[in-house]
Amino acid sequence: DAGITQSPRYKITETGRQVTLMCHQTWSHSYMFWYRQDLGHGLRLIYYSAAADITDKGEVPDGYVVSRSKTENFPLTLESATRSQTSVYFCATYRGREQTQYFGPGTRLLVL
Amino acid sequence: QQQVKQSPQSLIVQKGGISIINCAYENTAFDYFPWYQQFPGKGPALLIAIRPDVSEKKEGRFTISFNKSAKQFSLHIMDSQPGDSATYFCAAEYNDYKLSFGAGTTVTVRA
Repeated sequence: DAGITQSPRYKITETGRQVTLMCHQTWSHSYMFWYRQDLGHGLRLIYYSAAADITDKGEVPDGYVVSRSKTENFPLTLESATRSQTSVYFCATYRGREQTQYFGPGTRLLVL
Repeated sequence: QQQVKQSPQSLIVQKGGISIINCAYENTAFDYFPWYQQFPGKGPALLIAIRPDVSEKKEGRFTISFNKSAKQFSLHIMDSQPGDSATYFCAAEYNDYKLSFGAGTTVTVRA
């Protein structure tokens, strides 16, 4: 039972490059979320999805794009990376039985 | 703008002591208040949660106190252990199960 996997776990890129962070779940949960974690800010919601082909913005969506063609996958794309997007990115799904979000292991992204 | 304000930013407690973390919110649309625990290099994991119609919830050494009129809630860690050393986040849930997180509190338990 792998749950949620994120790839890559670590990524170094340069300003202006496009980067895609992958998120895969094995449970078929409807809701999926992308957060970024920065010191002093906790976790902030970037985008979320209620089901395949249904996505919506969170608190800090600028500079990010998401898609969800399949229930199990929810990729996050930085179209033109900026240094301010250096962060740890977490993907999560909503588990109704426990009434909680279950988080993946995170992707550490450094934009030079 | 942080919708959930959390304090303190960090705290140090002796083994066996009590850790207290406080959170406050303004948005009355929040209807579920979970606490997450995060260890270095890992994703946050649910620790304990409460709904606003309950004033207190206890699970083992962890207790949430909730004051709806004051829009405040707190986490108490009793008999703190070195294994409790982690970062704790309060959060508040609103429509579509979205979460607004506090900034986090790093707890260090000294043996």
